Amino acid sequence: EVQLVESGGGLVKPGESLRLSCATSRFTFSTYSMNWVRQAPGKGLEWVSSISSSSRHIFYADSVKGRFTISRDNAKNSLYLQMTSLRAEDTAVYYCVGGHSGYDLVFESWGQGTLVTVSS
Amino acid sequence: DIVMTQSPATLSVSPGERVTLSCRASQSVSSNLAWYQQKPGQTPRLLIYVASTRATGIPARFSGSGSGTEFTLNINSLQSEDFAVYYCQQYQNWPLTFGGGTKVEIK
Repeated sequence: EVQLVESGGGLVKPGESLRLSCATSRFTFSTYSMNWVRQAPGKGLEWVSSISSSSRHIFYADSVKGRFTISRDNAKNSLYLQMTSLRAEDTAVYYCVGGHSGYDLVFESWGQGTLVTVSS
Repeated sequence: DIVMTQSPATLSVSPGERVTLSCRASQSVSSNLAWYQQKPGQTPRLLIYVASTRATGIPARFSGSGSGTEFTLNINSLQSEDFAVYYCQQYQNWPLTFGGGTKVEIK
């Protein structure tokens, strides 16, 4: 079974930065597109960013464009999200999500999530 | 952006009943539509993709249909473990967008 384990969440002040990591195992990471999806407390799901298997194609939600950077290291089977200029509205559980083998943009494998809280 | 609208927001049903959840897209997404289930305190789980294909391990009581702008998720004979929030998601265009969710609760 695929394992995705996020880390790096925590409490930060507005304007600060945070780097999330996602360690993966039990699947061929380098062949899958990867994504970050977030969920604010008590709210629905919001797509944040996607990266193709080779890192050639990267996309961001408008709400994070210019502030967040997605990256991956296929040699380390790891996905990252560098978050800068954090705002209160970025407070959410951030999920690392693997794309479906046949449909990249279908969210098949989910990590347990890491909570990011932005508050002064 | 493609706006995904789910209805109703909440559905109160009894175990054993058949449930129909709706998802509407603000423009055509062809069949590029997925459904997810999220139980309280758990991570979302993929149920359906390409509008009607069940994901691995998903029971046959779950079925999806529709194309273009109108989609439905049907759950036959609702089980206790099916009480959850259900989200639809389009992957036709960037940005990828989710519906606001339908909560299926015990009546």
